[in-house]
Amino acid sequence: GAGVSQTPSNKVTEKGKYVELRCDPISGHTALYWYRQSLGQGPEFLIYFQGTGAADDSGLPNDRFFAVRPEGSVSTLKIQRTERGDSAVYLCASSPGPRTDTQYFGPGTRLTVL
Amino acid sequence: KNQVEQSPQSLIILEGKNCTLQCNYTVSPFSNLRWYKQDTGRGPVSLTIMTFSENTKSNGRYTATLDADTKQSSLHITASQLSDSASYICVVSANGNKLVFGAGTILRVKS
Repeated sequence: GAGVSQTPSNKVTEKGKYVELRCDPISGHTALYWYRQSLGQGPEFLIYFQGTGAADDSGLPNDRFFAVRPEGSVSTLKIQRTERGDSAVYLCASSPGPRTDTQYFGPGTRLTVL
Repeated sequence: KNQVEQSPQSLIILEGKNCTLQCNYTVSPFSNLRWYKQDTGRGPVSLTIMTFSENTKSNGRYTATLDADTKQSSLHITASQLSDSASYICVVSANGNKLVFGAGTILRVKS
């Protein structure tokens, strides 16, 4: 079956703009995660959804970052007033159930803020 | 502070050779440890997952070991292939909580 997909694959924006990144998890997976990965680093946790609710958003760096998953499937990561430091690859992952399950990652969205 | 340290930072080996990647962690309480392979421009893919009671686990040419007493893990790759070139990330879970990722070891296999 299809894996986790993310769109767009690349996004270039100007400082101060608003961006939305989309994640389509594997069908039937209840858990969804967003990570941010800078060059040469491992993924950094941002937020975890179980169903429609954000079970853990402790990784969001500040209130410019927000994520939703209104129907418990597709999720959107929203970044307001983008800054150059937001440039990174944003990875989405999903797992069948609890957080302890193996997570399946999407290819990521490369965000560049000029 | 929960941390995962990996070594070496990068590694170059000849095709057909073996190599071992190291992972040290301070995550507590420990739940499980995973090794992921991340190809350039792709998301990480799970190779192995080990719980506290498991000392070793294999997945084809990949063999992971875990010493929960010393909080160390290793990933051994046998008879390396060009397609093994990737970043290998060690990830530790603290009982039901979010995963702590290492920075990864970049492996390059040369012909």
